[in-house]
Amino acid sequence: DAGVTQSPTHLIKTRGQQVTLRCSPKSGHDTVSWYQQALGQGPQFIFQYYEEEERQRGNFPDRFSGHQFPNYSSELNVNALLLGDSALYLCASSQKYRDYEQYFGPGTRLTVT
Amino acid sequence: QKEVEQNSGPLSVPEGAIASLNCTYSDRVSQSFFWYRQYSGKSPELIMSIYSNGDKEDGRFTAQLNKASQYVSLLIRDSQPSDSATYLCAVNGYGGSQGNLIFGKGTKLSVKP
Repeated sequence: DAGVTQSPTHLIKTRGQQVTLRCSPKSGHDTVSWYQQALGQGPQFIFQYYEEEERQRGNFPDRFSGHQFPNYSSELNVNALLLGDSALYLCASSQKYRDYEQYFGPGTRLTVT
Repeated sequence: QKEVEQNSGPLSVPEGAIASLNCTYSDRVSQSFFWYRQYSGKSPELIMSIYSNGDKEDGRFTAQLNKASQYVSLLIRDSQPSDSATYLCAVNGYGGSQGNLIFGKGTKLSVKP
């Protein structure tokens, strides 16, 4: 049973650049949520996608955007990177009617220099 | 501002002892409660979910929920060195979807051989 996968594992970008992170949900799951985890903090909710639409959004600026594809995989895009965007970006998958029961992928470590 | 509070620790227990981890939450309408385990450098792993008042047991883990006191706890019996990790408490958010999980900062547990 394939779990949640994310790519890339690590990424180093420069301030002002743009980045795209990718996620494939667990088999049988159709909902994808994205979180940002800064060092020493708990994950913070960015947004959730279901049926290729953004269902809910946390308190993140419009520089953070996403997309979900027909096969349920998802992308997180961040524009105009800031040093403060350096964090572990986590994708979590779930089922539509149990979207609160979320399983995380291994994450992408983003470093902005 | 909906919040989840945890003692940051570190909580140190000897091998074989019971580890007790606590969490309080501010939003009375929260319905779903979760404990995640996160090893250093890894992503969070869902270990327990609880939805109604009382105790829920799964192997060496017991989750306890008291909605009147807005309190949820995790007991780990017969603690092992492999249980050494950060434990994150999460509650579902508010809105059209329950999928917005709000996390505490986590409690670091150290089990000494």
